[in-house]
Amino acid sequence: LAKTTQPISMDSYEGQEVNITCSHNNIATNDYITWYQQFPSQGPRFIIQGYKTKVTNEVASLFIPADRKSSTLSLPRVSLSDTAVYYCLVADGNNRLAFGKGNQVVVIP
Amino acid sequence: DTGVSQNPRHKITKRGQNVTFRCDPISEHNRLYWYRQTLGQGPEFLTYFQNEAQLEKSRLLSDRFSAERPKGSFSTLEIQRTEQGDSAMYLCASSLQDPEGYTFGSGTRLTVV
Repeated sequence: LAKTTQPISMDSYEGQEVNITCSHNNIATNDYITWYQQFPSQGPRFIIQGYKTKVTNEVASLFIPADRKSSTLSLPRVSLSDTAVYYCLVADGNNRLAFGKGNQVVVIP
Repeated sequence: DTGVSQNPRHKITKRGQNVTFRCDPISEHNRLYWYRQTLGQGPEFLTYFQNEAQLEKSRLLSDRFSAERPKGSFSTLEIQRTEQGDSAMYLCASSLQDPEGYTFGSGTRLTVV
């Protein structure tokens, strides 16, 4: 499974746009890029998934450059409730997901 | 459908005892996964079912661990002769054949004392 690399943590002020980066240099042709959010004592929650270019849903946007070796999750106008661990994963959609340690995002009032 | 349900939410057991956890996936999801998560780490894959067939098992799943999904619906994860190192959050997830992401349950937190 392709490995991902993310910053360990980042802080942001409430109301700002937060961009969380992820490197996946060994991504395979069949792999999708998926992001999950996890709050303490809860299971991870699916946020967004993409293959290339840009994907947007009601929660976030995902930007994937042409070489697909990295991706950026963008959270618009974060609130305190967006404080969570964010995981970037790559997988072919058939089997297991390989989670790293994720990126702890703290939103400051 | 209220999503993926896991029971119990918390379990404290003495070392050496056996424990069993249950997962009820989303009803139309044919894939079911078990993960384990320790403090400060991301979830680690344990095993995966498609319908009732167990298709993959991680090396993390020692002989003391067994998982079943007898009718392709709910699943159980049993740990025999628990050890302190088994203390973790055990997460269950389910998905469709071509998933746009898994749906995870809230997990069962196991504490072995």
